Amino acid sequence: DSGVTQTPKHLITATGQRVTLRCSPRSGDLSVYWYQQSLDQGLQFLIQYYNGEERAKGNILERFSAQQFPDLHSELNLSSLELGDSALYFCASSVTGGAGTDTQYFGPGTRLTVL
Amino acid sequence: AQSVTQPDIHITVSEGASLELRCNYSYGATPYLFWYVQSPGQGLQLLLKYFSGDTLVQGIKGFEAEFKRSQSSFNLRKPSVHWSDAAEYFCAVGAYSSASKIIFGSGTRLSIRP
Repeated sequence: DSGVTQTPKHLITATGQRVTLRCSPRSGDLSVYWYQQSLDQGLQFLIQYYNGEERAKGNILERFSAQQFPDLHSELNLSSLELGDSALYFCASSVTGGAGTDTQYFGPGTRLTVL
Repeated sequence: AQSVTQPDIHITVSEGASLELRCNYSYGATPYLFWYVQSPGQGLQLLLKYFSGDTLVQGIKGFEAEFKRSQSSFNLRKPSVHWSDAAEYFCAVGAYSSASKIIFGSGTRLSIRP
């Protein structure tokens, strides 16, 4: 158990819909990262927040957005869902924003299925 | 641009045999290198990481990896595998200057033959 929690574990929805994935980082960690894992794209970094502020952006679509709240939990919002958005979405956390040096602790993931 | 290549999609080894998983990276500066393991239905767990110093890095669960700058490689090894090592293994490269963005390889699935 990494100490990172993600809800829900599974999510099934229809195309065009909007969903919100939630992540609670390990106690004391200030940074949250979101990743997407799919069969065709592999594991891709989406976005990072550090203490409430966006720190780094990866291959995140414009239909996706995220935020980190004062209590440091984070939400990833996915809108206008397409079949290709079906994937496993991971959240990870680390102590600082660590510029590549921090160890990231991964949550168990949210499996999103778009029908 | 930085990239990571794991040339072996799937490897099967016998329990008790030695293991080596290959990883090659491309990066213009000093890379930060990681190996993660993903068990079925689980998130990723860090096995080990290399930032600087001794090029032979010890990790958890009896794994080690060796950084070879001349070969742009960071291969993962274990002298004797256990059935519980069956999982997907990901090599990753991070960059100091890019605020924690990490690029992952495509993964190697390890199966253990009884």
